[in-house]
Amino acid sequence: DADVTQTPRNRITKTGKRIMLECSQTKGHDRMYWYRQDPGLGLRLIYYSFDVKDINKGEISDGYSVSRQAQAKFSLSLESAIPNQTALYFCATLAGVTGELFFGEGSRLTVL
Amino acid sequence: QQQVKQSPQSLIVQKGGISIINCAYENTAFDYFPWYQQFPGKGPALLIAIRPDVSEKKEGRFTISFNKSAKQFSLHIMDSQPGDSATYFCAASTGGYNKLIFGAGTRLAVHP
Repeated sequence: DADVTQTPRNRITKTGKRIMLECSQTKGHDRMYWYRQDPGLGLRLIYYSFDVKDINKGEISDGYSVSRQAQAKFSLSLESAIPNQTALYFCATLAGVTGELFFGEGSRLTVL
Repeated sequence: QQQVKQSPQSLIVQKGGISIINCAYENTAFDYFPWYQQFPGKGPALLIAIRPDVSEKKEGRFTISFNKSAKQFSLHIMDSQPGDSATYFCAASTGGYNKLIFGAGTRLAVHP
């Protein structure tokens, strides 16, 4: 089983719908991240969390919200999806000693 | 405004050749510079990383060269192989690895 699991892997939705992307990890890491990948723009940080009570905005948090339900779970929500939120979304955990990020396999979201 | 600028956007190399990808940064507080490798359908994975107290780090066929005064660092892939075909991301962060900022990515194709 993957150390960082994202669900769903693919989702097509319509403008205005609420969408939740879920992430769970078995790495035991405290720090978790949500990134968005777009062609030509690389990976941009949406939100990150150092523990259940510590959540921080990244570069592009507008239109997104997150919830850290437990050390192992970090979900990303789009309250009212719009077409320019069509992208590949990655969850990651951080090994605090080495600085290595461990990514999930991504959730591809299409907003029509 | 991208804090880490990566070039080229795409690169084609013949098998056995040298692949070179460059990154530049502005924030002098950055003190950790990793490279991530991403295969299609997968999340990025750490390839190699360097800190600014050394000018070069080598791991197998992969070498990071770091120029602190020019605020540039590059990835060299020696004896490039078709299996190296992937997207490569440079990144940078400040102390504590709190936020890793990625470049736009380089799509490398190694032709047999």
